[in-house]
Amino acid sequence: GQSLEQPSEVTAVEGAIVQINCTYQTSGFNGLFWYQQHAGEAPTFLSYNVLDGLEEKGRFSSFLSRSKGYSYLLLKELQMKDSASYFCAVRDWGTSGSARQLTFGSGTQLTVLP
Amino acid sequence: DAMVIQNPRYQVTQFGKPVTLSCSQTLNHNVMYWYQQKSSQAPKLLFHYYDKDFNNEADTPDNFQSRRPNTSFCFLDIRSPGLGDAAMYLCATSSGRASGSETQYFGPGTRLLVL
Repeated sequence: GQSLEQPSEVTAVEGAIVQINCTYQTSGFNGLFWYQQHAGEAPTFLSYNVLDGLEEKGRFSSFLSRSKGYSYLLLKELQMKDSASYFCAVRDWGTSGSARQLTFGSGTQLTVLP
Repeated sequence: DAMVIQNPRYQVTQFGKPVTLSCSQTLNHNVMYWYQQKSSQAPKLLFHYYDKDFNNEADTPDNFQSRRPNTSFCFLDIRSPGLGDAAMYLCATSSGRASGSETQYFGPGTRLLVL
């Protein structure tokens, strides 16, 4: 099976940098995703990592270390609108070998203060 | 333009009264998923269809059923809703290629309230 752990809450101030960590265990790793979800809305895709290293996308970056089962999402120049829940999710080959499913972490609630 | 559409956005039903939630997609994706998400929790996969092939998660209660009459539409039927079934229900789609950054695209969700 798969398991993922994230901190439940993170607080930071506007303009700062914040890092949200995710540790995972899975047997057939095939990618790690980060999603953002504002209250009452659907999750939206932020980033994807399958190889070790840092992927940068504007103010958002995501890092992966497969050997450590570790990822983080880095948010720079925080804005009030970044207040949301952030989920990491892993895709693995599963029992059917199809790799169609994601397993989500429990999410990290980010609060950005003025 | 909306790519994954869910109706209704809010659904109120009575304890034990069957309810159907609907999802449609304009992406022509092979795979459609149904998730249940309770407050401050991760989305929990209930089941998914790969084309017409139905895949049920082992811990999904029998009270939850699904139908996919064609590529574009998928329905979630809750036969006898209990108070514990009140949640946000999210529909998602993917191409099914499971390669590269191919991800799942979520609809806006239907919030179910059971009275």
